[in-house]
This record gives sequence, structure tokens and C-alpha cells, in this order.
Amino acid sequence: DSGVTQTPKHLITATGQRVTLRCSPRSGDLSVYWYQQSLDQGLQFLIQYYNGEERAKGNILERFSAQQFPDLHSELNLSSLELGDSALYFCASSPGTGERETQYFGPGTRLLVL
Amino acid sequence: DQQVKQNSPSLSVQEGRISILNCDYTNSMFDYFLWYKKYPAEGPTFLISISSIKDKNEDGRFTVFLNKSAKHLSLHIVPSQPGDSAVYFCAASAFGNQFYFGTGTSLTVIP
Repeated sequence: DSGVTQTPKHLITATGQRVTLRCSPRSGDLSVYWYQQSLDQGLQFLIQYYNGEERAKGNILERFSAQQFPDLHSELNLSSLELGDSALYFCASSPGTGERETQYFGPGTRLLVL
Repeated sequence: DQQVKQNSPSLSVQEGRISILNCDYTNSMFDYFLWYKKYPAEGPTFLISISSIKDKNEDGRFTVFLNKSAKHLSLHIVPSQPGDSAVYFCAASAFGNQFYFGTGTSLTVIP
């Protein structure tokens, strides 16, 4: 158990809809990262938050947004969903105090868009 | 564009033998490399890392080798055990904590 929790575990929705994925980092970790793993793809970095502020942005679509709240949990919002958004979405956390920190991953949320 | 590539989607090895997982990268700015292991229904877990100032790093049965001129790294597992059966991802970083991951290699260790 990494200490990172993600809800829900599974999500089935329809094209055009909007969903919210939730992540609670390990106790004490200030940085949260979101990754997308599509079929036959590696984990694609989406975005990083540190202590409530956006720190780095990767290949995140404009239809996607994220935020980190004062209690350090984070939410990833996916809107106008398309079939190609079906993927595993992972959240990871790290202390946020240095560089090249080990990232601890949650179990992921599997999203299926029909 | 995939900057980190794992060209072997799967690998099978007999228990007790060596497992060698390979990874290639294209970005010469990458200077920190990691391997993560992933079991089904779980998130990836950190296994071992190496900085570009080294060409080898060992941790128990796991050794990572880095060949900067070839932009290639490999993970050796000796001896392989059935519990090592998992998907292995290599990852690379050029700065900060932004990691680029490969597509993974599924390792099966046959008892």
C-alpha cells in the first residue's frame, strides 16, 4: 500500500459527459502528479501540483483540468469526454521538498467512455 | 512522440535465470532514470534509479546499467523469482520531477 488513495476505482460514462477523479496523497506529501495510461501507451504525465499551485504541465488536453485543495487532495476534471479518453488515470505523490523524488502511485481509476 | 521506448512488450524467463529488460531513450537531456514495477490492479512502485554520472547501480537482485552513448538502459534481475512477474516501466527525467515513462515490459518468471 503506497498510502495514495484514488476514487473511484472504476468509472463508466458516455461521450460528452464530465467526470471528476479524486486523489489523496500520502500523509505529508505536498506534490501531486496525474498520469494517463491509454492502451499500449506508457504513463503520460499530465500535470503536477505543489502545495495547491500548478508546478508543471505535460500533455494535458484543454478539456482536462486539475486542482489541489488546501487539505492537499487533488481532483482531475475531464469534460466533453471522447472515446479516446478511456484509460487508466494514476495519481502519484511525493514530498515536494527536492528534485528527482520518488513518486508513490495510487492504484488508479479506470475510465471507460462509451 | 515517445521519448522513452521499451520495444519488448513481454519477456518470459525461467526461475533462477537472469531477466534483462531493455529501454531506449531519445532525449539527450535526460540525466536521471528509474525503473518502476507494476502488479495488476495496483499502481507502479519504485524499484531502482540511476543518475547519468554513473553507469551502474545495484540493489540486491536488481542492477540497472546505463549506456549514455547508446541512450540505452537495462534492468537485470538475478536470480529471477516468480514474484518478480509484473510489468516493468522505465522512466527518464531531464529536470525536476517530470518523468517520461516507457510503455512497459511484462515479465513472466516461470517456476
